[in-house]
Amino acid sequence: QQQVKQSPQSLIVQKGGISIINCAYENTAFDYFPWYQQFPGKGPALLIAIRPDVSEKKEGRFTISFNKSAKQFSLHIMDSQPGDSATYFCAAGGNYQLIWGAGTKLIIKP
Amino acid sequence: DTGVSQNPRHKITKRGQNVTFRCDPISEHNRLYWYRQTLGQGPEFLTYFQNEAQLEKSRLLSDRFSAERPKGSFSTLEIQRTEQGDSAMYLCASSLGGAEDTQYFGPGTRLTVL
Repeated sequence: QQQVKQSPQSLIVQKGGISIINCAYENTAFDYFPWYQQFPGKGPALLIAIRPDVSEKKEGRFTISFNKSAKQFSLHIMDSQPGDSATYFCAAGGNYQLIWGAGTKLIIKP
Repeated sequence: DTGVSQNPRHKITKRGQNVTFRCDPISEHNRLYWYRQTLGQGPEFLTYFQNEAQLEKSRLLSDRFSAERPKGSFSTLEIQRTEQGDSAMYLCASSLGGAEDTQYFGPGTRLTVL
């Protein structure tokens, strides 16, 4: 009940394309769903987060889509740029504890 | 720089030795978290402090691990009698608490146990 499954493990997208990363969770008590971006040698940095009372949240080129009934959420990166190349983690939790997905290594080809 | 800082950034030690890492959170943040991250995996929760009180410990945190936050500011994570399986990146994060409880991460301490 505590797992967060993330896919794909790796993703290659052409510059200007749309990158889509998916996550699924099991625990219906989770009420906070952040996406983090991590560059090599750095700690994760929050990109965007959503609560289950909304189905979509957009910040700039980044959009989270949330499907509460399916217990799934996804990150869309529009107009993907080479600088977006990084590892992306979804997480799910509540209060203080986050359960993390295994990460998606995203490569944007120029 | 007002972000989360961690020291040292890298630590190489021999099996059986004790190591201690330090985390300085963002100054007004009352919550502090320790995570462990191995290559190709997401961070795994280890423990959590609300001010100086350690409120939650993962079962991953064996009795060789101990964490403190004596004055509710900086925190230390000590690993006694290190094993090769302890090799990982140890991440610290802090947050303000409240509805949008964003965790801000430090750069991590990479531990290598030989």
